[in-house]
Amino acid sequence: DAGITQSPRHKVTETGTPVTLRCHQTENHRYMYWYRQDPGHGLRLIHYSYGVKDTDKGEVSDGYSVSRSKTEDFLLTLESATSSQTSVYFCAISDLRASSTDTQYFGPGTRLTVL
Amino acid sequence: QQQVKQSPQSLIVQKGGISIINCAYENTAFDYFPWYQQFPGKGPALLIAIRPDVSEKKEGRFTISFNKSAKQFSLHIMDSQPGDSATYFCAATPDSGGSNYKLTFGKGTLLTVNP
Repeated sequence: DAGITQSPRHKVTETGTPVTLRCHQTENHRYMYWYRQDPGHGLRLIHYSYGVKDTDKGEVSDGYSVSRSKTEDFLLTLESATSSQTSVYFCAISDLRASSTDTQYFGPGTRLTVL
Repeated sequence: QQQVKQSPQSLIVQKGGISIINCAYENTAFDYFPWYQQFPGKGPALLIAIRPDVSEKKEGRFTISFNKSAKQFSLHIMDSQPGDSATYFCAATPDSGGSNYKLTFGKGTLLTVNP
């Protein structure tokens, strides 16, 4: 998975609780992304980062916040989890310096269940 | 709104057959079209990609056909094997400076290849 780890891999939580998912990369890639994957919806971008402390919203950002204090870590926070945020969350990375294969590399995913 | 429409949602093919997955887009600014393959419990991984300056790209048993005027592209899997059983996503992006951030994904096709 191209030097990308996600933690935790599985989490069950209750409605209203805060949740933080972590993405860690060892590739020194500039760009990092958070997606959610739901049946019938494919992959939808939540937030992305184009550098340390530089982040922007994606397609489905409501209810989520992110932080990136160093190149290797990108955190996704659900301030008050809701059942609609039950999903599989993927982190991805990409790098402007990738020459022949401009692409995003995905982590193994985190399965989050909000009861 | 940027969209990529993918069909079919699911596909069952016999071993040795040809699998065909189609995608259509509306945004004429898109100029990089990757396909991702995802096995159960794993993150998506780049399979093959094409830019609109060519009409076809082939890598082994996998071929992308691209029709710029129709704004359509498709993935053909020749001699389909049970090991090809996976979910396939098409995607598109305006390739700004080679970073290919903010990919827009289709909703995915679940391919099952029967032995």
